[in-house]
Amino acid sequence: QQQVKQSPQSLIVQKGGISIINCAYENTAFDYFPWYQQFPGKGPALLIAIRPDVSEKKEGRFTISFNKSAKQFSLHIMDSQPGDSATYFCAASSRGTGANNLFFGTGTRLTVIP
Amino acid sequence: ETGVTQTPRHLVMGMTNKKSLKCEQHLGHNAMYWYKQSAKKPLELMFVYSLEERVENNSVPSRFSPECPNSSHLFLHLHTLQPEDSALYLCASSQDINRVGNQPQHFGDGTRLSIL
Repeated sequence: QQQVKQSPQSLIVQKGGISIINCAYENTAFDYFPWYQQFPGKGPALLIAIRPDVSEKKEGRFTISFNKSAKQFSLHIMDSQPGDSATYFCAASSRGTGANNLFFGTGTRLTVIP
Repeated sequence: ETGVTQTPRHLVMGMTNKKSLKCEQHLGHNAMYWYKQSAKKPLELMFVYSLEERVENNSVPSRFSPECPNSSHLFLHLHTLQPEDSALYLCASSQDINRVGNQPQHFGDGTRLSIL
């Protein structure tokens, strides 16, 4: 059973537009929600992360919005740039899931058109 | 440069071959991980090591055999693999396994494995 569901599978955005990727989870014990960015030929790299005690976290053009009651969180990329074209993974974990286990979504391939 | 180096970057092997994947981290971390990444699937955690001791084995077939000789090195020994084992194998490290949200996992760039 997939612990974290991610959508859309792929996304095409015009340069300067807003990219939005959504994730949903069921396990209310999750207490850490990171987003990873992966470029072709590279491993995933941590982009931004949030804990459920805040509803939003912003770092530059990247914002995580968190809705605890709906068990959903999303990544917003403002002023999207061609250099943002990559695959984005959401993830979730909790102390109860053991050994720093991260449960990943299936990924969203973002393409930003110049 | 993530501080986690994986070799080789690409590996093609037959089903009867034996090969090993290597991971080295230069971050002073105590925990290391092996993941399998297949297209359109979530990353699958395979093994977790903490201070050279295996703490998790996620029902991985015995044809995959991990080894952690010290906290900086992690190996994945492969033998008699199947075509469905073709994937990107990622190594990651973190400060330790107990402080889940306080330190991220750092990934290497992976080994692209193809089984003929």
